Formats: sequence, C-alpha cells, structure tokens
Amino acid sequence: RKEVEQDPGPFNVPEGATVAFNCTYSNSASQSFFWYRQDCRKEPKLLMSVYSSGNEDGRFTAQLNRASQYISLLIRDSKLSDSATYLCVVTSYSGAGSYQLTFGKGTKLSVIP
Amino acid sequence: GAVVSQHPSRVICKSGTSVKIECRSLDFQATTMFWYRQFPKKSLMLMATSNEGSKATYEQGVEKDKFLINHASLTLSTLTVTSAHPEDSSFYICSARALADSTDTQYFGPGTRLTVL
Repeated sequence: RKEVEQDPGPFNVPEGATVAFNCTYSNSASQSFFWYRQDCRKEPKLLMSVYSSGNEDGRFTAQLNRASQYISLLIRDSKLSDSATYLCVVTSYSGAGSYQLTFGKGTKLSVIP
Repeated sequence: GAVVSQHPSRVICKSGTSVKIECRSLDFQATTMFWYRQFPKKSLMLMATSNEGSKATYEQGVEKDKFLINHASLTLSTLTVTSAHPEDSSFYICSARALADSTDTQYFGPGTRLTVL
C-alpha cells in the first residue's frame, strides 16, 4: 500500500465549479498534513496546512480526519489560474529532530473556460 | 517568506560527466536541507537529508557515492551527480527547514532540470 494515495485525476472542470480532492495516508504516526500546488515544470508551493478542525482560506477548504487517515481539499468557484497539480503531503518524524515529507502522486486539475 | 534558490535551473550534459547543483537559503539559516527527485508524472521522492556539518542520510536505493551531498554552511547545500547517465535525467528539487522554525515547514527551491545525453 502506498504511503500517500490521491485521486488519480485528471479533473477537468468548468470555471466556477466546485471540485474536491481526496487523499489517504497509511502511517498513523504522521504528524502534519499539507496541500501543495505544483505548476507544470515548477517546484511545489505550499497551498495550506490541514488541521483536524478544518481550515479555510478564501475559496479553499481543507479537512483532516485522523481516525480515517483521510485528507480533503475543496476548491469553490474554480478559476482558470487554479489549473495545476495538487499534492497531498504528510510529514512524519524521522529522528534527530527532523521531519520527513511524503508526497502523494498528485491530482491534476484543469479549469476550462 | 523564506526563499530558497537553486543553481543551475537547467543543465544538459554528456553521459559520464559530473554535475553540481547548488541549493541556497537566501534569507534564513537552514539546519536541514532535503534533496528530492521527480521523474515525469511521478511524485517527488526524497533522496537524502542533509544536516549542516554532518554526513547526509540517504534513502534506501539512493547511492551515496553517486549522489554526493555537501552541506558546509547553514545556507548552502550541494548535490553532485557523479558519472551521470541518461537514467539520471530528472527534476531535482531541494528544500530547506529554517533553524528557528519549530514546525515541519519546508521551503522549496525552484528545481534543476537535468538532462543527460
């Protein structure tokens, strides 16, 4: 079983649509959770952290369910500029004060005019 | 926000040559830097963790003699791909964790695209 699994995608949605991404992780000792955005041939950039209480940043809402080891990202009112690959990222403690990121394969989103 | 730079952004080299990639934290000190590799349509895979002043810790399956890592200062880590082969062609990305940061946040460099002919 892969450590971090995401929807395979791609998601092709019209502008203004609401789209949801799901992610599951296998390591129950995982500490922190993030969604990153990666544009084509660019480095990943942090989109938002994910908390059990849920958090919202504008059109983006992230949710964590530790019991189910499940993370979600909801994007409302999709914009053309939201087109990118969204990476689910989980961290775990790797010893000596260091944390290791494990990336999902990513879900590609294309927002269509 | 914290800025990490990488140089070069793109490199093309002949098979058998060595390539050095630099990763710098520009406005903060980084105790730990990470090197990742991403093949087309694949997720980022951690290659090694580098702590300033000590030997890097390599992930399983990554040859330490082929991928030499040096982290001589709190703002610079280098990755040298020795005797590069076409299968080493990939997108190499570094990230850095700030000295003063107690969270897990890593700041990523813009990546280096390596093509070995």
